[in-house]
Amino acid sequence: DTAVSQTPKYLVTQMGNDKSIKCEQNLGHDTMYWYKQDSKKFLKIMFSYNNKELIINETVPNRFSPKSPDKAHLNLHINSLELGDSAVYFCASAGETQYFGPGTRLLVL
Amino acid sequence: GENVEQHPSTLSVQEGDSAVIKCTYSDSASNYFPWYKQELGKRPQLIIDIRSNVGEKKDQRIAVTLNKTAKHFSLHITETQPEDSAVYFCAAKWGAQKLVFGQGTRLTINP
Repeated sequence: DTAVSQTPKYLVTQMGNDKSIKCEQNLGHDTMYWYKQDSKKFLKIMFSYNNKELIINETVPNRFSPKSPDKAHLNLHINSLELGDSAVYFCASAGETQYFGPGTRLLVL
Repeated sequence: GENVEQHPSTLSVQEGDSAVIKCTYSDSASNYFPWYKQELGKRPQLIIDIRSNVGEKKDQRIAVTLNKTAKHFSLHITETQPEDSAVYFCAAKWGAQKLVFGQGTRLTINP
């Protein structure tokens, strides 16, 4: 189950800190995504990259900055973390079908 | 804008009975409709999908039906088992790259 991988799996941090989550896919897909899943389980798309280019940028605070060094990697950097950022963040990649990474559970204290 | 409505939000059925989850979508141009199952603490996993040139697709105990005219699609699980308990998400493709997800249905199978 290593087609889409994310690190770290868990992240506990204080308000105001900056943190990064990394994602990698070995499926050869051109398109990758970041989703946020809150406590109510709703899957909300944040960003999408196609072949290193940003193609979807939903209404997300600019404290969140994605970066795609190559088409197999999509990282998410979050500045000045807030309590409301606590959620599970899923990376995904897509060709004909979309596959999710294992998720990063972020808890901001 | 793009929207996918999913019902019910919770569903409880007796083991062995059938479960049906329904979704409606707003974009008549959508042509791809996947269903994902998410077990507690795990990632959403694709269980079945259907494209708009097909009205029904079946894979063992799960089936999906699509009515393009009415813009709705449904997931049917027959002979439910305890391991079917999970949150299920429908989705519709918006444009070339974006999946819009429904709100999720928490399915509980009672032994």
